[in-house]
Amino acid sequence: SYVLTQPPSVSVAPGKTARFTCGGNNIGSKNVHWYQQKPGQAPLLVIYYDTDRPSGIPERFSGSNSGNTATLTISRVEAGDEADYFCQLWDGSSDQPVFGGGTKLTVL
Amino acid sequence: EVQLVQSGAEVKKPGESLKISCKGSGYMFTRYWIAWVRQMPGKGLEWMGIIYPGDSDTRYSPSFQGQVTISADKSISAAYLQWSSLKASDTAMYYCAIRLGSSSSTPFDYWGQGTQVTVSS
Repeated sequence: SYVLTQPPSVSVAPGKTARFTCGGNNIGSKNVHWYQQKPGQAPLLVIYYDTDRPSGIPERFSGSNSGNTATLTISRVEAGDEADYFCQLWDGSSDQPVFGGGTKLTVL
Repeated sequence: EVQLVQSGAEVKKPGESLKISCKGSGYMFTRYWIAWVRQMPGKGLEWMGIIYPGDSDTRYSPSFQGQVTISADKSISAAYLQWSSLKASDTAMYYCAIRLGSSSSTPFDYWGQGTQVTVSS
């Protein structure tokens, strides 16, 4: 089945830019979604269809997808952005959704 | 307002059965797929299966096929996840989530608050 690879952790200082990668074979041809999960909370959709933001998600959150890597970018990182971030797509070959292992954001 | 409200935390012994629920409101319950997702302690998200409440069409992840049963009762806008014989390894947080789109590639737009299941002798 399709595998999505995410680095386990990312650390960034407040006000800087955090980038989260999600690697997969020819992932650029698929629709990738990103979820934020804060401690003790359910996941929250922050980016869908590679680049779109649901209402209520700050413009600081953006996404891109090309080649073998999809990327979630958070600009002007705040302490409140500390969370785990998961990428997800639908794998047509196995006809099921697939999640990446998640990346933990630490705000220094 | 779309809401998914899950049943409360459960503590069970190995071998016991369990059925947890997810009640939807604020949208047309029968028209959208509801998924169940497992999160073991300190781990990532694992898709278990999905059901279309309109006709109870159900799909399972191969990893969970035969281990759990997913069902729905459209008369009360509820979806269920059940085990016939729990194991300690079933200890996890379980989330329901809905896809408010017709395509399989649609994201999971809304999530329930989660149900913690603890299995211990």
